[in-house]
Amino acid sequence: QVQLMESGGGVVQPGRSLRLSCAVSGFIFSNYAMHWVRQAPGKGLEWVAVISNDGSNKYHADSVKGRFTISRDNSKNTLSLQMNSLRVEDTAVYYCARQPLGYYFDYWGQGSLVTVSS
Amino acid sequence: SYVLTQPPSVSVAPGKTAKITCGGNDIGSKNVHWYQQKPGQAPVLVIYYASDRPSGIPERFSGSSSWNTATLTISRVEAGDEADYYCQVWDSSGDQSYVFGTGTKVTVL
Repeated sequence: QVQLMESGGGVVQPGRSLRLSCAVSGFIFSNYAMHWVRQAPGKGLEWVAVISNDGSNKYHADSVKGRFTISRDNSKNTLSLQMNSLRVEDTAVYYCARQPLGYYFDYWGQGSLVTVSS
Repeated sequence: SYVLTQPPSVSVAPGKTAKITCGGNDIGSKNVHWYQQKPGQAPVLVIYYASDRPSGIPERFSGSSSWNTATLTISRVEAGDEADYYCQVWDSSGDQSYVFGTGTKVTVL
């Protein structure tokens, strides 16, 4: 069955960096675009970034552009999010999600909590 | 940027029908998708392309979209339907922008 498992979250000081990973199984990873979506505590969902199935195209939300970078390794079935210059407002649960044909998300990971605090 | 507006909360008695709206400029011309999120859990897709249900989602969940409003309807509401619900569209006017609604908390009385 389709599984997505995030890792790498934790507590980090403002201005520092953190790298999230999402290990997938149960489907052909290289056939799908993948996303990161986040949710601040008690708040709604916010799209963060998308990467095409072959990694050639990447787009980031304005709120993270220039600080976060999405990437993937199709040989390892792994999606990543490099987060630099972290801010307090980046505190959230970060979900990886799969995009089928169509602009939506059909499977989500369980999420990884990132807390940015001094 | 494109904005999707949902009512913060909807209350419904068991066995009744809940309607959750999602307002956006000309949303009827866009593909609308809906997610259910229970406390402490990841979102789950319940409706895609406005009215299609993924496998495993009960027929009690249905959707529609027209003009400036999309609607998720939950018929014969059960206690297990209590959750937050989010609409979502892809905004082609932006730079690959995926937009979520503000979210609606459904409370089963």
